[in-house]
Amino acid sequence: EAQVTQNPRYLITVTGKKLTVTCSQNMNHEYMSWYRQDPGLGLRQIYYSMNVEVTDKGDVPEGYKVSRKEKRNFPLILESPSPNQTSLYFCASSLRQIGIHGELFFGEGSRLTVL
Amino acid sequence: GQQVMQIPQYQHVQEGEDFTTYCNSSTTLSNIQWYKQRPGGHPVFLIQLVKSGEVKKQKRLTFQFGEAKKNSSLHITATQTTDVGTYFCAGPRDSNYQLIWGAGTKLIIKP
Repeated sequence: EAQVTQNPRYLITVTGKKLTVTCSQNMNHEYMSWYRQDPGLGLRQIYYSMNVEVTDKGDVPEGYKVSRKEKRNFPLILESPSPNQTSLYFCASSLRQIGIHGELFFGEGSRLTVL
Repeated sequence: GQQVMQIPQYQHVQEGEDFTTYCNSSTTLSNIQWYKQRPGGHPVFLIQLVKSGEVKKQKRLTFQFGEAKKNSSLHITATQTTDVGTYFCAGPRDSNYQLIWGAGTKLIIKP
């Protein structure tokens, strides 16, 4: 089954404790992206990757890191989480860059709480 | 910068009534996508519109892309409880590596 898998789905952590949210897709998609969703603010892009070893900042990259060492995986790293990073996070992938046939496939989401 | 405005933020309807959400872009878009997010779920792609003036239908859902490719709408005829959720529009930035998202319209069915 074609899917985007995120882990963990739920996490409660404390300020400053490094964490990684994993994302994996099995569709051989070139493009992957991380979003955060907060009430009233919609979907905001954190980072995206056009292909292996190619990443770029989205609209809200501060406090986050990413890497794309393999085509299927795109982990999101919070080096020193803070309470303002409490949010619902979505990983998404697309066959190619956003444009024609560039529809996004989303993971089920990771709800993160930073105390 | 490029913006996509989506209205209304919420729409309460009785089951069986119609629902419409509108998106307006500050710039011409090469295409526009629509997504649906059920409560507690993740966004799911519904459709992509590419041509000026394009109209596409999916059962009770009708999607339109304006002649100037700066606005779009989603109309649901005779809403059902399965239609509940938030509907988002999104269009690509010039770079084609990022989508600009509308804030979403939440469809609520009155009990």
